[in-house]
Amino acid sequence: AQSVTQPDIHITVSEGASLELRCNYSYGATPYLFWYVQSPGQGLQLLLKYFSGDTLVQGIKGFEAEFKRSQSSFNLRKPSVHWSDAAEYFCAVGERGGSYIPTFGRGTSLIVHP
Amino acid sequence: DAGVIQSPRHEVTEMGQEVTLRCKPISGHDYLFWYRQTMMRGLELLIYFNNNVPIDDSGMPEDRFSAKMPNASFSTLKIQPSEPRDSAVYFCASRSDRDRDEKLFFGSGTQLSVL
Repeated sequence: AQSVTQPDIHITVSEGASLELRCNYSYGATPYLFWYVQSPGQGLQLLLKYFSGDTLVQGIKGFEAEFKRSQSSFNLRKPSVHWSDAAEYFCAVGERGGSYIPTFGRGTSLIVHP
Repeated sequence: DAGVIQSPRHEVTEMGQEVTLRCKPISGHDYLFWYRQTMMRGLELLIYFNNNVPIDDSGMPEDRFSAKMPNASFSTLKIQPSEPRDSAVYFCASRSDRDRDEKLFFGSGTQLSVL
């Protein structure tokens, strides 16, 4: 069965600093990988996804993520964090083919200090 | 399209009462998902439908939980009787099978408090 681990429950960064949120997955083949963001009081919104091809994917709001098969990781990065990036971030893995049902990680809460 | 619409946004009820959460997916979407979010367990998939048919309800915690999708534009999640441990945010999401993006669209959620 597929699974996702986000080892950091909370991350605190200063505005303008760089950010990396960790995500490790367990899946028997090459998975579909996603990052979603949840702003307070809102539903989840897709930031970016990896299906195949270039392992470095670009998303909205200046985010990027890199798929590393050898490490079973799909870490999210941003070179300079803005206060509006404070939110909950979820990594998800989906099976290829079939009906595709995503499994979400527990989430990482990002706190941004001014 | 207005996106996935959930109602109510907030629900406060007493233990033992029946609770009904509602969801209107995006028009034309084939899949509908119900998720529950808690601090302890994160985001859990409760049940999902494909073309109005329940496909997998293995995530439904107990018989007190039931979900229906009578047509392509409406789904309900019912809890009867409700218990304090059911307090959580319940999300509905939908997806189109024709969208190779495999992207889920989430509603804003229903914050349920059972006293």
